[in-house]
Amino acid sequence: NAGVTQTPKFQVLKTGQSMTLQCAQDMNHNSMYWYRQDPGMGLRLIYYSASEGTTDKGEVPNGYNVSRLNKREFSLRLESAAPSQTSVYFCASHPRRLRDFGNTEAFFGQGTRLTVV
Amino acid sequence: GIQVEQSPPDLILQEGANSTLRCNFSDSVNNLQWFHQNPWGQLINLFYIPSGTKQNGRLSATTVATERYSLLYISSSQTTDSGVYFCAVAVIYNQGGKLIFGQGTELSVKP
Repeated sequence: NAGVTQTPKFQVLKTGQSMTLQCAQDMNHNSMYWYRQDPGMGLRLIYYSASEGTTDKGEVPNGYNVSRLNKREFSLRLESAAPSQTSVYFCASHPRRLRDFGNTEAFFGQGTRLTVV
Repeated sequence: GIQVEQSPPDLILQEGANSTLRCNFSDSVNNLQWFHQNPWGQLINLFYIPSGTKQNGRLSATTVATERYSLLYISSSQTTDSGVYFCAVAVIYNQGGKLIFGQGTELSVKP
């Protein structure tokens, strides 16, 4: 039972390059999320998807795009990477939608450490 | 939006000591989770606790939703407890919900 799987685990990009971070969950969860973690700032929400076919902006969406490819997969794309996007990126999933959101816990992947030079 | 504040920001303990970490939040929430991020960066679920008290071994958590705070207790700390502890509150938004994180408490347990 893999849970939430992120790829790659590490990546170095040059400024202006593009890349896609992949996330997949095998728990049949409805909601999926992308966060970034920067020193001293906790985790900040980039984008989320409440269910297959829907995506919404979080706190820090600029410079990113997302795709909820199917129920299992939620990808994060950097079209033109900038040094300010150097961070650790976490994907998360949660089983519920609106009504039952408070009743269960979210699960996180192991993170992708991205450096933009 | 909702604000989540954790205290203290840093904590250094001697092995065997007890500690209390606090999480304050500015509005009503549907749930609250505590996570431990170990030195390798993994986020580990500790508790989800919208209200009341839960215990798991040397760790316990209490949330008083009406007063908008939660406490994480670590007893008889061990060096493996080192890392960053986050609380995150769940809020409903559009057709789903999301977690808003505090800035974390960095704990260092010395042998």
